Amino acid sequence: SQTIHQWPATLVQPVGSPLSLECTVEGTSNPNLYWYRQAAGRGLQLLFYSIGIGQISSEVPQNLSASRPQDRQFILSSKKLLLSDSGFYLCAWSVLGRLGSPLHFGNGTRLTVT
Amino acid sequence: GQQLNQSPQSMFIQEGEDVSMNCTSSSIFNTWLWYKQDPGEGPVLLIALYKAGELTSNGRLTAQFGITRKDSFLNISASIPSDVGIYFCAGQLGGGSQGNLIFGKGTKLSVKP
Repeated sequence: SQTIHQWPATLVQPVGSPLSLECTVEGTSNPNLYWYRQAAGRGLQLLFYSIGIGQISSEVPQNLSASRPQDRQFILSSKKLLLSDSGFYLCAWSVLGRLGSPLHFGNGTRLTVT
Repeated sequence: GQQLNQSPQSMFIQEGEDVSMNCTSSSIFNTWLWYKQDPGEGPVLLIALYKAGELTSNGRLTAQFGITRKDSFLNISASIPSDVGIYFCAGQLGGGSQGNLIFGKGTKLSVKP
């Protein structure tokens, strides 16, 4: 069966520090991969998605970037964090190219920028 | 861009009561998905709907894909304390690798024992 792992679960970082959140998927090949941010426990905002290694699409201009160095690895990064980057970050995967394939989410990373 | 209107935003109910929530949109969707998110965790898929008019159950949960393809509802029967959480609908326009999945803003459910 497929599993998705995100780490760390929680992170407290000072303003201006770098960020690296990692997500890996097991049990499937060539997944679509996604990074979402959730503010205040409510709506989900799509940040990035990827259909393959090195292929990243950005949905909103921001202080963050994403990379996919391996098929089942998705990394969310920032060179200098802002206070407004605080939030709950969720990684997700779906089956590539399959119409209507649901997203499956990881357990998230709670980021607090101080 | 496209938006989903999910209502109600929050619900406070007594254990044993039935719950109903819905999502509407001005866009036509090919897929409707319902997720539940427990505090501090990622959303978990509850029900996926792929055909207009489709009615699908998962235990005490029932969801329907509206016949106009612009809406969907989720019902929970005989609520229990562990039903507490945030429920999200998501509509998928289909086509393309990203699938154009759009999320509602969630319905926060509180259940009093």
